[in-house]
Amino acid sequence: GAGVSQSPSNKVTEKGKDVELRCDPISGHTALYWYRQSLGQGLEFLIYFQGNSAPDKSGLPSDRFSAERTGGSVSTLTIQRTQQEDSAVYLCASRTGTVNYGYTFGSGTRLTVV
Amino acid sequence: QKEVEQDPGPLSVPEGAIVSLNCTYSNSAFQYFMWYRQYSRKGPELLMYTYSSGNKEDGRFTAQVDKSSKYISLFIRDSQPSDSATYLCAMSPFGNEKLTFGTGTRLTIIP
Repeated sequence: GAGVSQSPSNKVTEKGKDVELRCDPISGHTALYWYRQSLGQGLEFLIYFQGNSAPDKSGLPSDRFSAERTGGSVSTLTIQRTQQEDSAVYLCASRTGTVNYGYTFGSGTRLTVV
Repeated sequence: QKEVEQDPGPLSVPEGAIVSLNCTYSNSAFQYFMWYRQYSRKGPELLMYTYSSGNKEDGRFTAQVDKSSKYISLFIRDSQPSDSATYLCAMSPFGNEKLTFGTGTRLTIIP
């Protein structure tokens, strides 16, 4: 597609349930990022994938959070045993390998844990 | 204390005014500086990026970086109602892929 696609756009889940968030980056973009945006907190880095290199997971807040990227394209962010503090907008971004800071963001998944 | 500080606003100005948005930072390793614009319920979009100190102009937008003061600015000339959005500053050390964002300033341009 023309842009970064994220699904679902909205997700309401009960505390303790697992959720999966999906990101389809722009075709050909080798780098993929996940950020979290909470009210009043700005964007918080979660994880970064670059080609076949090991992902940078240094931003994942706990071991309940994990992410994978299959075939160098689609990525899934999984949150296990969700907590109310996980409520936020989860944003995915991608870029080409040759433009360091020209991220293209998706519209995000708004997660609400009740 | 956060690495990047940004006044959340809200900031309201009349159409046609010059808008000044600012961020301060504490990490002297930051070399790349960016401004993103985010409309409601949308992802951020890159407006401007600069490397190290100096000015960069693109149409009605000017980005300034003063590394000695650890202070960056975005100026919007001839502001339009379509400029109403949240503006986020972001920065990164050279060679580091992770961006550190400010909390964003919500701007409203009044027709």
